[in-house]
Amino acid sequence: AQSVTQLDSHVSVSEGTPVLLRCNYSSSYSPSLFWYVQHPNKGLQLLLKYTSAATLVKGINGFEAEFKKSETSFHLTKPSAHMSDAAEYFCVVSELTGGGNKLTFGTGTQLKVEL
Amino acid sequence: ETGVTQSPTHLIKTRGQQVTLRCSSQSGHNTVSWYQQALGQGPQFIFQYYREEENGRGNFPPRFSGLQFPNYSSELNVNALELDDSALYLCASSLRVGGALGETQYFGPGTRLLVL
Repeated sequence: AQSVTQLDSHVSVSEGTPVLLRCNYSSSYSPSLFWYVQHPNKGLQLLLKYTSAATLVKGINGFEAEFKKSETSFHLTKPSAHMSDAAEYFCVVSELTGGGNKLTFGTGTQLKVEL
Repeated sequence: ETGVTQSPTHLIKTRGQQVTLRCSSQSGHNTVSWYQQALGQGPQFIFQYYREEENGRGNFPPRFSGLQFPNYSSELNVNALELDDSALYLCASSLRVGGALGETQYFGPGTRLLVL
């Protein structure tokens, strides 16, 4: 089975400083990986997606992630945090099941952005 | 906004009752998935529907059932509600063309269910 591990449950940064949210994956085949963001009392918004076309994936709102097969990692970064980035972030892997596919979510990283 | 809508937004039920949650897919999408998100946790896959048939199921008991309609909208039904069913229920739609691997799922805002 595929799985993802988010290495930090909480990350706190100052506004204007870089953001790094860490994720490691486990997969028996070339994975499809995603990062989603969830603001309080909201649904999930797709930030970016990796499907083997390029190892550096650019997403919305200045976020990007790099797929590193040798390290089985898919860390999410942003050069400069904004107050509006405060939210819960989920690293997600897509897995085939019963003819369809399911998303398996990590436990989430709560990002806090301070003035 | 993804174009995926869910109703109702909030719901309160008592233990033992039955509930039906509804989801309208994003325009052009033909696949619907349902997830349960308990408080403080990541979403857990319940099942997926494609061409009106269940297309994969997570570790949920049979009292969780669903339907997909010809217009690709979907329902999630939960019978004999338990206190632990209290959660945010998320619907996601996607477009399947060929194989399922790597499909991008777009989520609705969710239905928050409270079981008393």
